[in-house]
Amino acid sequence: EVQTLESGGDLVQPGGSLSLSCAASGFTFSNFAMSWVRQAPGRGLQWVSTIGAATTNTFYADSVKGRFTISRDNSKNTLYLQMNSLRAEDTAVYYCAKGLWYSTAWYYDYWGQGTLVTVSS
Amino acid sequence: DIQLTQSPSFLSASVGDRVTITCRASQGISSYLAWSQQKPGKAPKLLIYAASTLQSGVPSRFSGSGSGTEFTLTISSLQPEDFATYYCQQVNTYPLTFGGGTKVEIK
Repeated sequence: EVQTLESGGDLVQPGGSLSLSCAASGFTFSNFAMSWVRQAPGRGLQWVSTIGAATTNTFYADSVKGRFTISRDNSKNTLYLQMNSLRAEDTAVYYCAKGLWYSTAWYYDYWGQGTLVTVSS
Repeated sequence: DIQLTQSPSFLSASVGDRVTITCRASQGISSYLAWSQQKPGKAPKLLIYAASTLQSGVPSRFSGSGSGTEFTLTISSLQPEDFATYYCQQVNTYPLTFGGGTKVEIK
């Protein structure tokens, strides 16, 4: 059974840092792109970042570029998101999502239950 | 960035109704579009990808169509478990973007 389990969410002060993890199981992790998507309270979904299967390709939303870093450890089947210089507008539930490759594009077929990041003083 | 506009943003319908949700892209995205369903407090669930391909395990009452800039998600006969919020997402170009969502509620 495919599973992705996020952890690391917490209450952090503006300007602070936080590291999220996503432990994957039930599939060959190293073969799939992975993404982080967030959802602010009462709001819609917002893509944050994607990393390719081989870790060489990374992509970021403009709103987090230069502050967040996505990475993965294929030996540990784990995806990470290092978040620095956090702002109130980064407050959200952060989901990790597993890629599904189809017709030259990555879609996202499994999502974890999310981890809540709250940025507040 | 590619903007996705969903309509309507809110829909009130009855069990058994046929429901259609539209997603319009600000520029052509071929068929690189997905539809997901989200229930309160839960993670999104992929329903349709590549505009019209039904994800494994998703009931056949869900269908998707369109290409280029206009797409539709249709639920042929609304069931009680279908009351949720639906999002379209384009994967044609980074940054990936989502539509604003369509909340389907019970009439």
